[in-house]
Amino acid sequence: QSALTQPDSVSGSPGQSITISCTGTSSDVGGFNYVSWFQQHPGKAPELIIYEVTNRPSGVSNRFSGSKSGNTASLTISGLQDEDEADYYCSSFTSSHTVVFGTGTKVTVL
Amino acid sequence: EVHLVESGGGLVQPGGSLRLSCAASGFIFSDYWMHWVRQLPGKGLVWVARVRSDGSDASYAASVRGRFTISRDNAKSTLYLQMNSLRAEDTAVYYCAKDSILGSGSSDYWGQGTLVTVSS
Repeated sequence: QSALTQPDSVSGSPGQSITISCTGTSSDVGGFNYVSWFQQHPGKAPELIIYEVTNRPSGVSNRFSGSKSGNTASLTISGLQDEDEADYYCSSFTSSHTVVFGTGTKVTVL
Repeated sequence: EVHLVESGGGLVQPGGSLRLSCAASGFIFSDYWMHWVRQLPGKGLVWVARVRSDGSDASYAASVRGRFTISRDNAKSTLYLQMNSLRAEDTAVYYCAKDSILGSGSSDYWGQGTLVTVSS
């Protein structure tokens, strides 16, 4: 199972919106509404910020939103803030009953 | 409050074995799928394995299938990862993660990780 494809890096100025893509196949992203997104700050464990494509866990800012079209899922961060600078990973359930993560995207706040 | 605490990491020689443990508290452990996820130094997250809430079903990444075994003891609220025939490329921080009841990979709680180093 190959890793889902994410851009290596995305940057934006405070207050701007950015979007991170996550491209898979019909056997993972495109086949299931089980895409999750995780935020990871340096030296910390990952934190779930989006699950089942569009849902936010309790306590996660509504500046984070998720969507999916075909084999590509997307995470949008609106009103970018300094604290959003981190690594972001998508993941998807697969037809083999496994889970696959994305390659990861480093978000930089300019 | 949910807590996941991994232990058992350390230095092991290539070809050796290690068993990781993850002690869970703050939720009904026996209701949820659990996962192991690893992160190579300075690299991204890589899914390793998952186990059903009752321990009756498990699945593995191709890179560890046949060498690693995930299991759980619901009476002790503890998750395990038995790692055999370890290779240098297994060197990573290993995280345990709590999933939803569906086991779909939406892991809402993670431990802080335990470092496994495979080296002679």
